[in-house]
Amino acid sequence: DQQVKQNSPSLSVQEGRISILNCDYTNSMFDYFLWYKKYPAEGPTFLISISSIKDKNEDGRFTVFLNKSAKHLSLHIVPSQPGDSAVYFCAASTSGGSNYKLTFGKGTLLTVNP
Amino acid sequence: AAGVIQSPRHLIKEKRETATLKCYPIPRHDTVYWYQQGPGQDPQFLISFYEKMQSDKGSIPDRFSAQQFSDYHSELNMSSLELGDSALYFCASSPIIAGFYGYTFGSGTRLTVV
Repeated sequence: DQQVKQNSPSLSVQEGRISILNCDYTNSMFDYFLWYKKYPAEGPTFLISISSIKDKNEDGRFTVFLNKSAKHLSLHIVPSQPGDSAVYFCAASTSGGSNYKLTFGKGTLLTVNP
Repeated sequence: AAGVIQSPRHLIKEKRETATLKCYPIPRHDTVYWYQQGPGQDPQFLISFYEKMQSDKGSIPDRFSAQQFSDYHSELNMSSLELGDSALYFCASSPIIAGFYGYTFGSGTRLTVV
């Protein structure tokens, strides 16, 4: 049972345009949501996160939006750059006894074309 | 800045052999997580340790065991290796309040079982 779903395995965007990566979840107990970026042969790198008490968090070109009622979050990258090309994983966790174990989606491969 | 160090980077083993993967967390991080990522799959949580004690357990086979030592480094021991164990194994570390900041992953160990 996939609790975190990224339904688009890939996304291709032109440089300078907006990239929107989507993520849905089923577990209403999740209270932290995170995006990781992964290049080949490297470990995932933390990008940005949002707490369930917020609906938006912004960090430079990256903004994450959370819609709790729809159990949906999205990552917006504006403007997209070729260096953003990577696999993006959505992840979620619950606070408390599980020490923030992360549940990952399957990832979306973003390609930003020059 | 110091990162999470994993060794070895690559490992080739035969079926039924044993393997030991090592993880050195970021200094002052007291929690270590192990994840397994199969080809084309999302990272799957295996096990975590907090202050040298197992804090959570995921989809870790009984053939695998892990521990965290007094210097906070962790080892994942894998016995009776099977072809299906071929995967990228990531270790991550975090301070206990990782929820909003995620954790830092190492570059992974690529295990190939032949």
